[in-house]
Amino acid sequence: AQSVTQLGSHVSVSEGALVLLRCNYSSSVPPYLFWYVQYPNQGLQLLLKYTTGATLVKGINGFEAEFKKSETSFHLTKPSAHMSDAAEYFCAVSEGRRGGGADGLTFGKGTHLIIQP
Amino acid sequence: SQTIHQWPATLVQPVGSPLSLECTVEGTSNPNLYWYRQAAGRGLQLLFYSVGIGQISSEVPQNLSASRPQDRQFILSSKKLLLSDSGFYLCAWSATSRNTIYFGEGSWLTVV
Repeated sequence: AQSVTQLGSHVSVSEGALVLLRCNYSSSVPPYLFWYVQYPNQGLQLLLKYTTGATLVKGINGFEAEFKKSETSFHLTKPSAHMSDAAEYFCAVSEGRRGGGADGLTFGKGTHLIIQP
Repeated sequence: SQTIHQWPATLVQPVGSPLSLECTVEGTSNPNLYWYRQAAGRGLQLLFYSVGIGQISSEVPQNLSASRPQDRQFILSSKKLLLSDSGFYLCAWSATSRNTIYFGEGSWLTVV
């Protein structure tokens, strides 16, 4: 079965500093990987996704993530944090195991990103 | 463009009362539809998914049920709510299997 582990339920960085949110996954087949962001009391918004091809994926709001198969990781980074980046971030994996049917995502428990002024 | 809407946005219901959360998708046909629940500190849990009208798959045995009476309508229901049903419920859709899943605004359910 697929699973996702996000290290650190809370991450605090200073405004302008590097943001690094960690995600490790387990999957029995080549995974599709996603990062979503959730602002308070809102639904989830897709930041970026990896399906196949280039392992470094760029998303919205200056975020990017790199798929590392050998490390089973898909860490999210942003070179310079902005106050507006404060939110909950979820890593998710899709394995496509339900042959022909829908395949919901398996989510990590989320990381709350705090930006210090 | 495609849009997804769910309602009501917030709901406070007594224990033992029924529940109906509705979700509609516009701008696409035959989408895959999903209901997720988000509990504090536990991420998102897939509750139900549907690949077509009347086709519902349940991921977790529980006090809830789902129905898809029309192609772009997905309903989450309960006959008798429990305190443990409280949470943030998210409807979502995707064009195909393994494609990006798009989420609605969410519905806060508080069972008292």
